[in-house]
Formats: sequence, structure tokens, C-alpha cells
Amino acid sequence: GAVVSQHPSRVICKSGTSVKIECRSLDFQATTMFWYRQFPKQSLMLMATSNEGSKATYEQGVEKDKFLINHASLTLSTLTVTSAHPEDSSFYICSARQGENEKLFFGSGTQLSVL
Amino acid sequence: QKEVEQDPGPLSVPEGAIVSLNCTYSNSAFQYFMWYRQYSRKGPELLMYTYSSGNKEDGRFTAQVDKSSKYISLFIRDSQPSDSATYLCAMSYSNYQLIWGAGTKLIIKP
Repeated sequence: GAVVSQHPSRVICKSGTSVKIECRSLDFQATTMFWYRQFPKQSLMLMATSNEGSKATYEQGVEKDKFLINHASLTLSTLTVTSAHPEDSSFYICSARQGENEKLFFGSGTQLSVL
Repeated sequence: QKEVEQDPGPLSVPEGAIVSLNCTYSNSAFQYFMWYRQYSRKGPELLMYTYSSGNKEDGRFTAQVDKSSKYISLFIRDSQPSDSATYLCAMSYSNYQLIWGAGTKLIIKP
């Protein structure tokens, strides 16, 4: 299957700082990427849909000024958590759609811990 | 009522058993059905992808879709301890957004 690389896998930061997470499709071009958040023992919660060259579409209840998404190229999307607070601590996962079908391939996730 | 219902488990079975995982859904517009496997603190891995109704087999895994009953299943034959993970069903229609089940935690006992 297609490979999606997500970096970093784990980050610890101080409250008030910003953290950037990168998501790359390594062997295919992804016009659409998705960012999810997952709490322990819960399913994936879609945060936003990112289309290359346009503004991201955020799900209801997700603060777009706090979670900045940039999809600058067909192989790279970034999520920046701005002014992070302890309640932002979570597991963040990106995914990329391959082609026009429904198959999604996921990155390995980023565990964010805000102290 | 959730659009996709999935028993969170845990489901514990002995090694070598046949495992049956299921999801039900309420929206008859769903056309694409997927099963993902997720190990702890890792991203989901696509296992099976099915369009519309029918069966699909890949090695020890078989996916079934019954659109008339709004019911999908994943069967794992000859289960191994390495199959222990959380299995998530997901489905979508033409707007590309996936609707996820809650995930079933599967434990294969050696």
C-alpha cells in the first residue's frame, strides 16, 4: 500500500508554545489530506480536511485559529497547534487519499504532550 | 443513534480461532466499506476495501458487506497473537468523508 510519513512521532512542549506536525505522502500525490485526533480508547475524530492549494475545511467545534493547517504541495500537509495547552494533549493522526477512490492511508501518528 | 455502530469489546479468543467482527449502519447511501487495523499508539492500517455488496478475501481476512441488512463483517481465520489490535470499520458515500465505527479491541490469547 501507499506510504504516509508523519513526523514527529512524539513531542513534549511547554504550555503556550506552538508545535508543528508534518504529514507527507511518500510515493503518491495526495490532493486531499485529513487530520484526526484520537483520545485513549476512542475512535478517530476528524478535525479538518485539507486540499492542496486551498483553505482547510474544519469540522464543527474545531478552532481553525488554534489548529493551523497548510497543504502547500501535493505531498505535504502540516498541522500547527498554536499556543498549546494541556487540554490539547492527544494523539494526532494524518491521512492521505490516494487517487479518486475512497482509500485512505494513515501516518503513524504524533503523541503530543503539553506540560 | 450513531450512523455506524460497532461493539468496542474487548473480544478475547484463543489462538487459531476464527474471529468475526461486525458493524451495522443506518445510512443506505454508503457505498464504500473499509476495515482498518490499529495497534496501540500507531496510525490505522487499511486491511480491506470493498465497494458495494459482496465478499472480498485477502489471505486470512474476508470482508462481507450485506447492504440489505446494513451489516458488514470482517472474518479472520487462523487467528494469531499478532492480530491483537483494535479493528475499525469505516464507510462513506460520494462526498469522501469517512464515517467511523468506535473500533473493536481484539485479543488473541496464545
